[in-house]
Amino acid sequence: EVQLVQSGGGLVQPGGSLRLSCAASGFTFSDYWMSWVRQAPGKGLEWVANIKKDGTEKYYVDSVKGRLTMSRDNAKNSLYLQMNSLRVEDTAVYYCARDRDSGYAGGDALDIWGQGTMVTVSS
Amino acid sequence: DIQMTQSPSTLSASVGDRVTITCRASQSISSWLAWYQQKPGKAPKLLIYEASTLETGVPSRFSGSGSGTEFTLTISSLQPDDFATYYCQHYNRYKFGQGTKLEIK
Repeated sequence: EVQLVQSGGGLVQPGGSLRLSCAASGFTFSDYWMSWVRQAPGKGLEWVANIKKDGTEKYYVDSVKGRLTMSRDNAKNSLYLQMNSLRVEDTAVYYCARDRDSGYAGGDALDIWGQGTMVTVSS
Repeated sequence: DIQMTQSPSTLSASVGDRVTITCRASQSISSWLAWYQQKPGKAPKLLIYEASTLETGVPSRFSGSGSGTEFTLTISSLQPDDFATYYCQHYNRYKFGQGTKLEIK
């Protein structure tokens, strides 16, 4: 079965750090770009970051640049999001997702999603 | 920066109804558009990609159309499982619309 299983998340104080993980199975992980998408409570979906198949290129939404770092370990079929200097406005459910590999440069549709993990930034 | 605008924000309908959700782009995006369904507490599910191609396993009552700046998602005969929130998304920078909540009338 093709799936993404997430772990990590939780409650952290403003300025703190967290690391999210996403374990892929059922497909050749190294063949796909991957993304993180978040959803603040009661709000819509916001793309956060993506990473190239081999990890050599990464792109971020402006609001997280310099604070959130996406990485991957293709040997472990795993995706990570290191979250530093967290702010109250980073509070959201974070989803990892697989890019569909449509061939479009600059983005894609997202065809496989993790179950989501809640990150709460509060004092 | 391209903006994606969905209408309506909320739609009330009954089982068996035909419903249409519209997504407009602030400039032409060709057919680089996807539609997702999201139920409360669950991850989004890809329904349609490249504006009109049905994802594998998605019921045929769902269809997508449009190109350029105006797109529609149509559900031909609403089923109880279809009441959810729907999002459009332009591929470039993964730009999502604000969502349309489909409620039971």
